[in-house]
Amino acid sequence: DAGVTQSPTHLIKTRGQQVTLRCSPKSGHDTVSWYQQALGQGPQFIFQYYEEEERQRGNFPDRFSGHQFPNYSSELNVNALLLGDSALYLCASSRIQGAPGNTIYFGEGSWLTVV
Amino acid sequence: DAKTTQPPSMDCAEGRAANLPCNHSTISGNEYVYWYRQIHSQGPQYIIHGLKNNETNEMASLIITEDRKSSTLILPHATLRDTAVYYCIVSGGSGNTGKLIFGQGTTLQVKP
Repeated sequence: DAGVTQSPTHLIKTRGQQVTLRCSPKSGHDTVSWYQQALGQGPQFIFQYYEEEERQRGNFPDRFSGHQFPNYSSELNVNALLLGDSALYLCASSRIQGAPGNTIYFGEGSWLTVV
Repeated sequence: DAKTTQPPSMDCAEGRAANLPCNHSTISGNEYVYWYRQIHSQGPQYIIHGLKNNETNEMASLIITEDRKSSTLILPHATLRDTAVYYCIVSGGSGNTGKLIFGQGTTLQVKP
């Protein structure tokens, strides 16, 4: 049983560009959340998707957007990249049924460097 | 802001039990205590979570005080591979379907 998978693992972008990160949730999971982790900090919640809609959002600007597909996979898009967007981007998945209190699993993340 | 307080760092001798404390004095009745750990440059690894009863799995034990204002994660026989940042997180409540708010965590160093 594959866990949460993310792609790409590493990428480098230039300021002002746009980036798309991808996530496939753990089998049987229908809820996907995205987190940003800057160097030396704990992960920060960006937003959460369920039934293809954004359900919760953290304190991130509109440059950060997402999408969830019918197969529960998800994308994180960041527009107009800034140097400060350089971070590890983490995807987490869980099942909505029984929430809160369900086990939440993380992927290994996508390292984004903005130059 | 994170609802938990953890010591920034701890040491443990290899083979001994590692006891990681966490204070969550403002926890509400329907919020869970989650523990994750993160080894450098990897995604957070789920360890255990609980509501009010003590929990045990193949990785660790979670002891929650009766008033639920604090908890302790116990790694029974620490190994060098347990060296990591350990995060204690309180999450749940009405309308929350799994948003986790991370603090700074405890850096556990297991020494030979």
